[in-house]
Amino acid sequence: ETGVTQSPTHLIKTRGQQVTLRCSSQSGHNTVSWYQQALGQGPQFIFQYYREEENGRGNFPPRFSGLQFPNYSSELNVNALELDDSALYLCASSLTGLVRGHEQYFGPGTRLTVT
Amino acid sequence: QQQVKQSPQSLIVQKGGISIINCAYENTAFDYFPWYQQFPGKGPALLIAIRPDVSEKKEGRFTISFNKSAKQFSLHIMDSQPGDSATYFCAANTRGGTSYGKLTFGQGTILTVHP
Repeated sequence: ETGVTQSPTHLIKTRGQQVTLRCSSQSGHNTVSWYQQALGQGPQFIFQYYREEENGRGNFPPRFSGLQFPNYSSELNVNALELDDSALYLCASSLTGLVRGHEQYFGPGTRLTVT
Repeated sequence: QQQVKQSPQSLIVQKGGISIINCAYENTAFDYFPWYQQFPGKGPALLIAIRPDVSEKKEGRFTISFNKSAKQFSLHIMDSQPGDSATYFCAANTRGGTSYGKLTFGQGTILTVHP
């Protein structure tokens, strides 16, 4: 069983640029959630994808968007980067089914720095 | 309504001692309460979780105590070890509706276990 993987590990971007972060879900999982974790804070929910559609969204502006692919991997896209977007971006995978499981397993994260 | 409050912010314990971290919530729709352990530069790792139909769950040295009427739950780490030094997050989730899949995290507790 493979765990959640994310790429890249680190990224440095300039304000106003766009960025794409990638996530491969854990084997057997069909749902991906994205979180933003600022330094010294708990993770904040961005959105979740299930069956290639957005299935819930937190308080993040539309310039945060995502995709889920048929193999359940996912992308997080952020447009018009702002300095406050500097954070650790975490992907979590889980299994949604007839008996809903809540267990979410996190990847190692992508550290994004916006200068 | 969605907030989860965690205390203390930091905790120092001697090796072999008991570490206790507390969380309180307001949203009575929460029905799943996990604890995550996070080491620097890593993603959160699921440690143990509880549902409100039980008052206690134990896994090895880790125990969750849950008080539904008080809307509080806590993590107890018995025989704390230096390797337990990490940041611990409590979280909460709901079974269905638009908030399904959205983990709401506490602010985190930095645990230091001295040898």
